[in-house]
Amino acid sequence: QKEVEQDPGPLSVPEGAIVSLNCTYSNSAFQYFMWYRQYSRKGPELLMYTYSSGNKEDGRFTAQVDKSSKYISLFIRDSQPSDSATYLCAMSAGGNNRLAFGKGNQVVVIP
Amino acid sequence: KAGVTQTPRYLIKTRGQQVTLSCSPISGHRSVSWYQQTPGQGLQFLFEYFSETQRNKGNFPGRFSGRQFSNSRSEMNVSTLELGDSALYLCASSFGQFGNTEAFFGQGTRLTVV
Repeated sequence: QKEVEQDPGPLSVPEGAIVSLNCTYSNSAFQYFMWYRQYSRKGPELLMYTYSSGNKEDGRFTAQVDKSSKYISLFIRDSQPSDSATYLCAMSAGGNNRLAFGKGNQVVVIP
Repeated sequence: KAGVTQTPRYLIKTRGQQVTLSCSPISGHRSVSWYQQTPGQGLQFLFEYFSETQRNKGNFPGRFSGRQFSNSRSEMNVSTLELGDSALYLCASSFGQFGNTEAFFGQGTRLTVV
């Protein structure tokens, strides 16, 4: 079983819709959770960084962490064509900077 | 503030050759981690350096090595290249060493082995 599971999609939504992405993980030691956005032929760009369980909101983006279920989510409200990218979840147990990544979810927002 | 800089952006090498990739972290960041990204495996951790010391190593063969200099710049080296080493190599820069600070990535070096 991989440490981090992420359904690779792809996911197509109309402009203005809510995009919902999620990852599950098996390592209960993970306590730092991140979402990255990666455009084609670019490096990953950090979107959200959260510690432990709870919600965090930043503009149109909301990250949720449920450690009891080992489940994290990213919601994108009022999606725009510029949100079309691959979204990667990542997590760390702390103690070092090693990140475990999901395989990424390709999102296409259709104008 | 400048971001993470990786050079070169693109490389084409022949099987059996060796290659060196470079990463300059964000100013003030002392941790550099390297990842390999392929369509099949996604992002896989290679190794992490902090203050010139390798702190962690992923499950890659010994042909993959790295080092970090006193100015925090890091290099990774792949010897005896194989076709399967074709990938996007990414480095990430962090301020702290305990995983409790954000990791910022460079644009990557795309290596093609022919």
